[in-house]
Amino acid sequence: GPKVLQIPSHQIIDMGQMVTLNCDPVSNHLYFYWYKQILGQQMEFLVNFYNGKVMEKSKLFKDQFSVERPDGSYFTLKIQPTALEDSAVYFCASRRLDWGGAEQFFGPGTRLTVL
Amino acid sequence: GDSVTQTEGQVALSEEDFLTIHCNYSASGYPALFWYVQYPGEGPQFLFRASRDKEKGSSRGFEATYDKGTTSFHLRKASVQESDSAVYYCALCTGFASALTFGSGTKVIPCLP
Repeated sequence: GPKVLQIPSHQIIDMGQMVTLNCDPVSNHLYFYWYKQILGQQMEFLVNFYNGKVMEKSKLFKDQFSVERPDGSYFTLKIQPTALEDSAVYFCASRRLDWGGAEQFFGPGTRLTVL
Repeated sequence: GDSVTQTEGQVALSEEDFLTIHCNYSASGYPALFWYVQYPGEGPQFLFRASRDKEKGSSRGFEATYDKGTTSFHLRKASVQESDSAVYYCALCTGFASALTFGSGTKVIPCLP
C-alpha cells in the first residue's frame, strides 16, 4: 500500500538545540499532519498543513514548533529550541484531497530524545 | 472537546478466541469513525472506517458498526490469530481533512497455550 517515510528513525539531541524531522508523504497526497506520542500515552494531534499553510493546530503545537514543505520536497517539523518534554515519537501522516480518501496514512515515526 | 474512550487497556486471548474491543466517542456534529492497528516499531495502519449511523466497516476479518444511539464503534473479530497481536486504536474525525482524535489504544496479546 501507499507508504509514508520518515527520516531519521531516531534522533538524540541536547536540550536547547534545534531539530528538524523529515517526512516524505505519499506522492499524490496533499494534506499533511504531525502527531506526537509520548511513551505509553495516546497519540495526539499537533498540526495539519495544506497548500503551504497551517490549517489547524493544537495547544501542543508550541511557538517553538514550525512546519513547512518547500517546493514539494520533505514535509518538515522543526523544533527550536527543544525542551525535555519534547521527547516523544513523532508521526507524520498524509491523505488525499478528495472526500473518498478520508483515511490518513502514517509513517513509522521518529523517536526524539532530548537530553 | 471531542474524545474517544477505549475501556480495555490490554486484552489477553488464545488463538481462535472471539475478540471485542470497546470504543465509545463523544463529539459535536457527526464524526467519521476509524479503527487503526499499530505493530511494534511502526506507525498506525488504517483498518477501516464508517461515516454514518448503522454503517458497518470491515477489513481482514475485523468489523465494527457505527451506532449513533450508543455513541459506540466496537471492534470485533470472530477468531483471533497470533498475528493479530498489536495495539488497536479507535479514532474519530469531525471535519474534512481534520485531525484524528485517538483513543488510548488496546493492546491485544496472545495467551500462551
